[in-house]
Parts: sequence; structure tokens; C-alpha cells
Amino acid sequence: GAGVSQSPSNKVTEKGKDVELRCDPISGHTALYWYRQRLGQGLEFLIYFQGNSAPDKSGLPSDRFSAERTGESVSTLTIQRTQQEDSAVYLCASSLSTREQYFGPGTRLTVT
Amino acid sequence: AQSVTQPDIHITVSEGASLELRCNYSYGATPYLFWYVQSPGQGLQLLLKYFSGDTLVQGIKGFEAEFKRSQSSFNLRKPSVHWSDAAEYFCAVGSSGYSTLTFGKGTMLLVSP
Repeated sequence: GAGVSQSPSNKVTEKGKDVELRCDPISGHTALYWYRQRLGQGLEFLIYFQGNSAPDKSGLPSDRFSAERTGESVSTLTIQRTQQEDSAVYLCASSLSTREQYFGPGTRLTVT
Repeated sequence: AQSVTQPDIHITVSEGASLELRCNYSYGATPYLFWYVQSPGQGLQLLLKYFSGDTLVQGIKGFEAEFKRSQSSFNLRKPSVHWSDAAEYFCAVGSSGYSTLTFGKGTMLLVSP
């Protein structure tokens, strides 16, 4: 079956612009996660959605970052007024239960 | 707070040789432990996981890992490495009621001919 998909695969933007990153989870997966992977670093948790519960936003690094999810489907991560330190690969994952997470291929964001 | 340490940033192994990648975790309760692999330009693929039971777990692609509570370790092993195993490997820890995983910084595996 289809895995987690993310778009765009690459995004180059100018400092100060807003960007939107999209994640399509595996159908039926109730949980959705966003992570950030900076060069040479592990994955940093950003935000977590579980069903209709309030999202866990504890990993968002600043108020320039926000995310939405419509029901148990698509999620959008928005970064406002991008900065160079936002350059990273943004990974989305989904899971059916509180166990295995299945990752998408990521969006590579470059802020110039 | 939970944390994961992967002490080796890079490891080079000859093709056909055995491999062991180290992972140490810090967690107050019984952890859920994972190993993921990331090939260049790809997302993360789950290799194996430990939740409970037998402390030696088998995964895909011939990998295995052993949970040692006394050493707070979950090292990944493979008896004979193939060139296609060259990738970055991440260890991660979660909890029974986890909402997120905490990842190590990864170990880059290079395979020499």
C-alpha cells in the first residue's frame, strides 16, 4: 500500500518568506508526527497529532512554526518569516497505534 | 528526560565483516527501543523494535539487536555486512504511552570493498 508522502521534496526560499510543507499519512493512521533533521543531527520532535485530541506542540522551536491537520488526513507545517537556521529536512511520520512510526521521504528546506 | 547516545559518528567496515553499532539510552521506565536506517535522500525505515519479551530481536535485512537493561544498551548487529548496508543508522527510544520518539544523532556506516 501507499506509504507516507510529503511535498515538495525540495524547497528553496528566501529569508523572511513563509513556507508550507505537506504530509499525507498512511490511510487509517490516527497519529501524525513532524520532526526536523538538521545536517549532522538526529531528529528533533516538532509536533504530534493524535485523532481529535489537542496536538502536542511542545517541540515547536518558536511561534513562527505552526501545523494543522484535517481530521485524520493531511497535515501542513507552516514556517513563517523563514530564517537560515530553519534550513533542514522536515520529516513526517504516521502510526496506527502508539508504537511503530512510518516515515515519509522528507522535505529538504533551504533558506537563502 | 529520555535521551539516546550513539557514541560513534562514523564507522567503516569491510564488506563481509561483522558489524556492531552502539546505542545507550536513558529512560526512567521500561523503554520501547527502535533502530531505523536512512539511505541518502530517503526517509527512515524501521529495522527492528523492542517492546518486551525476548531481549534479542530480529529485524529486516539480517539485522538483530540485543536489549541489555543492566547496561542501558540496545546495540545493533549484523554478522556479514553488504555494500548496500552503507547508510545512516538511528537508535530511538519511546515509552509505552509515548507520543514521540527521542533519537540519537546517528551513526554513518561506510562499507569498504
